[in-house]
Amino acid sequence: GIQVEQSPPDLILQEGANSTLRCNFSDSVNNLQWFHQNPWGQLINLFYIPSGTKQNGRLSATTVATERYSLLYISSSQTTDSGVYFCAVVLTGSNSKLTFGKGITLSVRP
Amino acid sequence: ETGVTQSPTHLIKTRGQQVTLRCSSQSGHNTVSWYQQALGQGPQFIFQYYREEENGRGNFPPRFSGLQFPNYSSELNVNALELDDSALYLCASSSGTAGRYEQYFGPGTRLTVT
Repeated sequence: GIQVEQSPPDLILQEGANSTLRCNFSDSVNNLQWFHQNPWGQLINLFYIPSGTKQNGRLSATTVATERYSLLYISSSQTTDSGVYFCAVVLTGSNSKLTFGKGITLSVRP
Repeated sequence: ETGVTQSPTHLIKTRGQQVTLRCSSQSGHNTVSWYQQALGQGPQFIFQYYREEENGRGNFPPRFSGLQFPNYSSELNVNALELDDSALYLCASSSGTAGRYEQYFGPGTRLTVT
């Protein structure tokens, strides 16, 4: 099956710093989503971005489907950005399941 | 617009028992998927229901079964519970199958098997 690798596994930032989270995938995809999981387990949608670039406030994301990677940028980080960030993809030709990476644990310190 | 809801929030069961988890999809959504998330791991796909029919299944044994109702809400049933079934169970809904539509997740049900 498709492999999804996220890096780095853990990230510690000082409040106000910028960061880049990476997602590599091993095969062609027709869906890619970024999520933020809060301490209570809720997966919050950040971006639906099978290709191209999107921005939402301090967050932006870029997916280069032909090179099989996606990047999530967080600027001017805040303590509320802490949590686990997941990338999830749907393999081209499949129409059912999201395959998740192992996640990136972000800690933003005041 | 109401988001995806799940019940119950928490559940404690004994090994060998059966459990039913429930999910109400977001308004206008006809597709529901279920995922299991073990501690420290990413969610793993269990199965998807599209217009009341199973539309894809992950690597889970038959004791994991599901149902989708005409209003597109869904149930996940797990028989003969094992200790390894302890996990967060997440439900996602969308306007269509995962290959083409954004998935939205509910808050999850945390199941503990003792």
